[in-house]
Amino acid sequence: DTEVTQTPKHLVMGMTNKKSLKCEQHMGHRAMYWYKQKAKKPPELMFVYSYEKLSINESVPSRFSPECPNSSLLNLHLHALQPEDSALYLCASSQFGRETQYFGPGTRLLVL
Amino acid sequence: TQLLEQSPQFLSIQEGENLTVYCNSSSVFSSLQWYRQEPGEGPVLLVTVVTGGEVKKLKRLTFQFGDARKDSSLHITAAQPGDTGLYLCAGGTGNQFYFGTGTSLTVIP
Repeated sequence: DTEVTQTPKHLVMGMTNKKSLKCEQHMGHRAMYWYKQKAKKPPELMFVYSYEKLSINESVPSRFSPECPNSSLLNLHLHALQPEDSALYLCASSQFGRETQYFGPGTRLLVL
Repeated sequence: TQLLEQSPQFLSIQEGENLTVYCNSSSVFSSLQWYRQEPGEGPVLLVTVVTGGEVKKLKRLTFQFGDARKDSSLHITAAQPGDTGLYLCAGGTGNQFYFGTGTSLTVIP
């Protein structure tokens, strides 16, 4: 099973809202990732968790707050987002890090 | 500067034609992956190549890893409309995982 699941599939939020994106994998992977992707562009790395600890934060604004409750779950908390934050948000996992990553279907976010 | 450069960036071809996408770098990678992504969906892993000079085939798709493990190519034979999508190469080197610049392929029926 190489499945990574993400919820919700679509999300529309106002600039004053607070929402969360969720990601889950049951492959026993110890590295999990959040990416942001604009149309027809490659994914841009936001955060990396390794063994449930935040190991990379690619200078992401504080209105994005990641959380890793356990080795299977990854959340991305959103607060006071801007319209330019509208994008496809992807979660991925890999066995330890640096090797093949497996992606979820993404959450399409629209900020109004 | 992108660590992994893909060419071409955009490609529009007729159904039945052949095509090749290139992924080039000046760095050595322990492995390279190829993904295909449809609009609004996550990237789907097509293949991982590990050994320099390795060739892998997946139906009409042929993947090659350069001898020096710095580049890779994807060749599609007799393209079909279902091949339409964004093709991404990716790989790990050092402590990082990098994506290529992407190739957007459109196959016209």
